[in-house]
Formats: sequence, C-alpha cells, structure tokens
Amino acid sequence: DAGITQSPRHKVTETGTPVTLRCHQTENHRYMYWYRQDPGHGLRLIHYSYGVKDTDKGEVSDGYSVSRSKTEDFLLTLESATSSQTSVYFCAIRKDSFSGNTIYFGEGSWLTVV
Amino acid sequence: GQQVMQIPQYQHVQEGEDFTTYCNSSTTLSNIQWYKQRPGGHPVFLIQLVKSGEVKKQKRLTFQFGEAKKNSSLHITATQTTDVGTYFCAASNSGYALNFGKGTSLLVTP
Repeated sequence: DAGITQSPRHKVTETGTPVTLRCHQTENHRYMYWYRQDPGHGLRLIHYSYGVKDTDKGEVSDGYSVSRSKTEDFLLTLESATSSQTSVYFCAIRKDSFSGNTIYFGEGSWLTVV
Repeated sequence: GQQVMQIPQYQHVQEGEDFTTYCNSSTTLSNIQWYKQRPGGHPVFLIQLVKSGEVKKQKRLTFQFGEAKKNSSLHITATQTTDVGTYFCAASNSGYALNFGKGTSLLVTP
C-alpha cells in the first residue's frame, strides 16, 4: 500500500462534459503519474508530474490536462469528454530507493463516457 | 522513450505447466521492471533488474535480464491458479516515467 487514493472510483458521464479525476497520496512523493489502460494497448502514460506545478505530457496527452498545486494531489481533467476516453485510469507514484525507482499504482478509476 | 514489446499477448496453460513471457527492446535498457495485474485490480510491482545477465528468483518466478540488456523474461514454474493475471514489463523513458509493454495475459485452468 503506497497511500494512494483515487476518486471517483467509478463514473459515468456524457459526451462533452468536463470530468476531473483526483489522485491523493499521503507519502509526499515527488513523482506522480496518470496512465490509462485499454484492451490491446496496455498502460499508456497520459501526463506526469515531477513536483508542484511541474508537469509534462506523456504519449497520449491529447484531450487531457493536469494540475498539481500541492504535493499530495494530482488532478486529471478531461475538458470535454469523448467516448474514446472511456477507459480505466490509474494514478501512480514513484518511490525512490537505493535499489532503484519503483512505481506504485492506485486502485484505478473506471470512466465511461456515453 | 524506450519502447518494449511483449510476447505472447495471451497464454492459456493447465495448472502445473510452466509459463514464460518475453520482453524485447530495440535499444539498450538501463533497467527493466516487471508488474502483475490481477483481473479487476491494479498493477503491482514484482521486481527490478539492472545488471546485464541478472537472474532473480521469487519462489516459482524466475526473472532474467539479457546480456545485452535488450531483453528480459519472466518464467513461472508449475503454474497455479493464483498466477492468473496480466504480466507487464516496463522500462524507463528518460528517467521520469515508465513505458509499459502491452502485457501477457495468463489464464490457468485447474
């Protein structure tokens, strides 16, 4: 357990509406990530953050924005949701140690856009 | 970023049979990590390999990193139904994040 909480865990929304997913961590890790998982595509990086107000794009960032105003919170926003954004979204943090860097995932947020 | 390709995409075995999944890259990897995701769950870190030719074991699981650090494998001896899930390899992309392979889904029939 890496102290990661995602909310909401499940959401159904209509096409064109804005949606915000929240990731909260309790262990003060610097790096946070948002991945999406779809059948046949595995886990794909959307955005990541390397500190407060420091974010960068991943491989599938179109249609998504992120914000990190506090170390513990990393928000993912779909400005205008589309059906192609129906997916499972995983937040993750990176734990750095002497033996290497390890990614720990939250439990996921299931988003359905109808 | 460093892309990794995984094969096979799916594997169905009888309980007690062995299972292997392979991860390949066209470029030299600094390290490689393996994750397991149970159905309906989230990916969970299994292990990290860093050294050329490294072999690590976790009970019935054996992880190898190739001599050229371009490939890796995960071998499960005598599979059990608890091994069901999707196994992912992942490699760093410029140090900030991980690029994941598409995973190998393992189904074990009793």
